Amino acid sequence: DADVTQTPRNRITKTGKRIMLECSQTKGHDRMYWYRQDPGLGLRLIYYSFDVKDINKGEISDGYSVSRQAQAKFSLSLESAIPNQTALYFCATSVSVQETQYFGPGTRLLVL
Amino acid sequence: GENVEQHPSTLSVQEGDSAVIKCTYSDSASNYFPWYKQELGKGPQLIIDIRSNVGEKKDQRIAVTLNKTAKHFSLHITETQPEDSAVYFCALRSSNYKLTFGKGTLLTVNP
Repeated sequence: DADVTQTPRNRITKTGKRIMLECSQTKGHDRMYWYRQDPGLGLRLIYYSFDVKDINKGEISDGYSVSRQAQAKFSLSLESAIPNQTALYFCATSVSVQETQYFGPGTRLLVL
Repeated sequence: GENVEQHPSTLSVQEGDSAVIKCTYSDSASNYFPWYKQELGKGPQLIIDIRSNVGEKKDQRIAVTLNKTAKHFSLHITETQPEDSAVYFCALRSSNYKLTFGKGTLLTVNP
């Protein structure tokens, strides 16, 4: 969905490096999410935010942190990347917890 | 947390045939069941959803059925076309208001 953008689209980094993945949305949604996708494991929730002052851990938050800089921006950080964090990362938004989530195009991350 | 079992993990059909993907769950409080399609190199896109107060919903060649008693819901695609080839994910909103996803089904439609 072009209303949800993610940067970068692809990233290669080395073990121990700090990296940030960014998500921006023009949908005006208040809720934003970060997911990780691994082959055969589906989508797993890392962190979610219901508004600018609200941050919640998902099922696999260890090794990750997030920042909600504004209603439209939600960043995911890997403080010290490790190879098993190699995956596809997706940002999603929703207008409320009752509604559908809309996904960005994803960031493919490779940690060497 | 809530668990969603999705089957099959891969499905290959001939163009024009029907495809059915099934998901089962355990949380009886689940009340929203979306299906997403993910094409290669793209993020998941919602294709159809159903809420717990109805048993079936159709949108052209796509339909979803929900059996709350048996705790399963299914995606039905009729008259499949090569462009239907993708990974399909079921999901549900559980009692903690988060979406839980199945592990996906790779659908291949052979011309």
